[in-house]
Amino acid sequence: GEDVEQSLFLSVREGDSSVINCTYTDSSSTYLYWYKQEPGAGLQLLTYIFSNMDMKQDQRLTVLLNKKDKHLSLRIADTQTGDSAIYFCADHLGEAAGNKLTFGGGTRVLVKP
Amino acid sequence: DTGVSQNPRHKITKRGQNVTFRCDPISEHNRLYWYRQTLGQGPEFLTYFQNEAQLEKSRLLSDRFSAERPKGSFSTLEIQRTEQGDSAMYLCASSPRTGKPYEQYFGPGTRLTVT
Repeated sequence: GEDVEQSLFLSVREGDSSVINCTYTDSSSTYLYWYKQEPGAGLQLLTYIFSNMDMKQDQRLTVLLNKKDKHLSLRIADTQTGDSAIYFCADHLGEAAGNKLTFGGGTRVLVKP
Repeated sequence: DTGVSQNPRHKITKRGQNVTFRCDPISEHNRLYWYRQTLGQGPEFLTYFQNEAQLEKSRLLSDRFSAERPKGSFSTLEIQRTEQGDSAMYLCASSPRTGKPYEQYFGPGTRLTVT
């Protein structure tokens, strides 16, 4: 079945850029997502990209998609302490696959002042 | 738009007891999903409803688990004869029928602890 992998941890200084990476295995992914989870909370949809795009920018967030390498990244510009959280990438294989999202294990981002 | 709500937020139960969780999706969202998240892991898909029809079930959803969405609005997830391995966060999400049906919005979750 589909597999989504992320690195476990990222430490970054406040004001620097953060880059979180994700790889996936199924080339038929239709949408790829980034969600943010703060301690004890549910998941907040940050942004997503359609599989026929290679880049999407949304304020401080930039998503890059390399379909050939099945690689997704999220860049956060001017990282703030409020960005400390766990970030999950996920993919969506479409209606035929039950509309489900397959998540990676999450990357814990720690922003140091 | 009040968001997805889930009740209770926390549930502690003894092994062997039955528990039921409720999810209220965003109004007019006809699609509803249940996921399970264990500590240190990403969420895993359990099941999906379109209106009142349960269209997809994961093999994670053993016969002790049952989900319903009787009127196509709120949903319940019941776990019978709970086991310690059922301890997890149970997350509900919803998405609209039209517009952006691929956007899934999550509730705050119900954290289950089985002792």
